[in-house]
Amino acid sequence: DTAVSQTPKYLVTQMGNDKSIKCEQNLGHDTMYWYKQDSKKFLKIMFSYNNKELIINETVPNRFSPKSPDKAHLNLHINSLELGDSAVYFCASSQDGKDYNIQYFGAGTRLSVL
Amino acid sequence: SQKIEQNSEALNIQEGKTATLTCNYTNYSPAYLQWYRQDPGRGPVFLLLIRENEKEKRKERLKVTFDTTLKQSLFHITASQPADSATYLCALYKRGGKLIFGQGTELSVKP
Repeated sequence: DTAVSQTPKYLVTQMGNDKSIKCEQNLGHDTMYWYKQDSKKFLKIMFSYNNKELIINETVPNRFSPKSPDKAHLNLHINSLELGDSAVYFCASSQDGKDYNIQYFGAGTRLSVL
Repeated sequence: SQKIEQNSEALNIQEGKTATLTCNYTNYSPAYLQWYRQDPGRGPVFLLLIRENEKEKRKERLKVTFDTTLKQSLFHITASQPADSATYLCALYKRGGKLIFGQGTELSVKP
């Protein structure tokens, strides 16, 4: 069974559209994250949720809105997509207070905005 | 400003040799440092962690060192194999903060 799964794997869309990416983890972890990896491979944290509560919110445009219906799910909704949003988005999870914040990543969603 | 730097150029080595990857950081006092492996089209996978009070950690053919004076970590793969070809990312954790990732070094092991 996949530990952290995100869908879709590929997303191709036009500028101005709204899209969502879904993430689920079956590891029983308390904390989930969204990262963005640009073309230069930099992996930057965008958001972090702990038990459905937002704890990290980096300088991300407010067109990006995360939602955590329960601690096993963290979705990312993006409004009014722009060309610069093209990147690979990774979901990850970790167990609070244990394992030194080791991140377990999903396979990524490659978003292409045309 | 705070920075993490890894070898930006790809590292090409011959099978059987030791690969050494570098992670340098400035203006951090990390509580610990992690190394991840990322294959094309996949998410990063955790490999090793080393704490600020540890000098060296080993796991099979992997070895990590951590020099808080030099502000540097070295990641070694001994007896490298073509299957070790991937991008390797270091990540620092600041107490009370979050994980900050380097940009990764691409390793290519030729048979």
